[in-house]
Amino acid sequence: SAVISQKPSRDICQRGTSLTIQCQVDSQVTMMFWYRQQPGQSLTLIATANQGSEATYESGFVIDKFPISRPNLTFSTLTVSNMSPEDSSIYLCSVSRWRKETQYFGPGTRLLVL
Amino acid sequence: AQTVTQSQPEMSVQEAETVTLSCTYDTSESDYYLFWYKQPPSRQMILVIRQEAYKQQNATENRFSVNFQKAAKSFSLKISDSQLGDAAMYFCAYSGGSNYKLTFGKGTLLTVNP
Repeated sequence: SAVISQKPSRDICQRGTSLTIQCQVDSQVTMMFWYRQQPGQSLTLIATANQGSEATYESGFVIDKFPISRPNLTFSTLTVSNMSPEDSSIYLCSVSRWRKETQYFGPGTRLLVL
Repeated sequence: AQTVTQSQPEMSVQEAETVTLSCTYDTSESDYYLFWYKQPPSRQMILVIRQEAYKQQNATENRFSVNFQKAAKSFSLKISDSQLGDAAMYFCAYSGGSNYKLTFGKGTLLTVNP
């Protein structure tokens, strides 16, 4: 499986600010995804990060709030914009080499918004 | 839409004993994959086991095995010879449809008693 890193591992932010989370993979992958895990909850897919084109967002998530970039096959960023305390969650990226392959997860970014 | 149901919010097991975690899913797809992921307190999502729907044989990985009942849409995880390190939140997940995104159940918190 790929080695996946995320930065930052955790952060405490003030409401109204934005935070960009980075996801780096040690090998090229076709698929990259971003998930949110609210406190005590399961994982919910935010979007699929598409290389060279706009991300595909799930219902309830919009580009203005969660802009995503994917400049190449090993790197993606998720920005949480204009944060509120409700955005306090763990944000995880996952990758798979091909569409039907197993997804492997990064270590996650724990975000607290005050 | 696909749904994944884990009916056991919490389970406990004695060290060295066997425990079974339940999962049911709903789908109209014929090609799909099922997974069990483990999330210890470190929050890292770790793949435990994967099952392809087209395979009749149940997947096994060392002490972990599944009971895949396709007609009943059931996918339970059996952990044999439980160890203290098995204590974690366990998520059942489904992957299928056009982009094979993951849909997670709500999770089962497993406690292992010494």
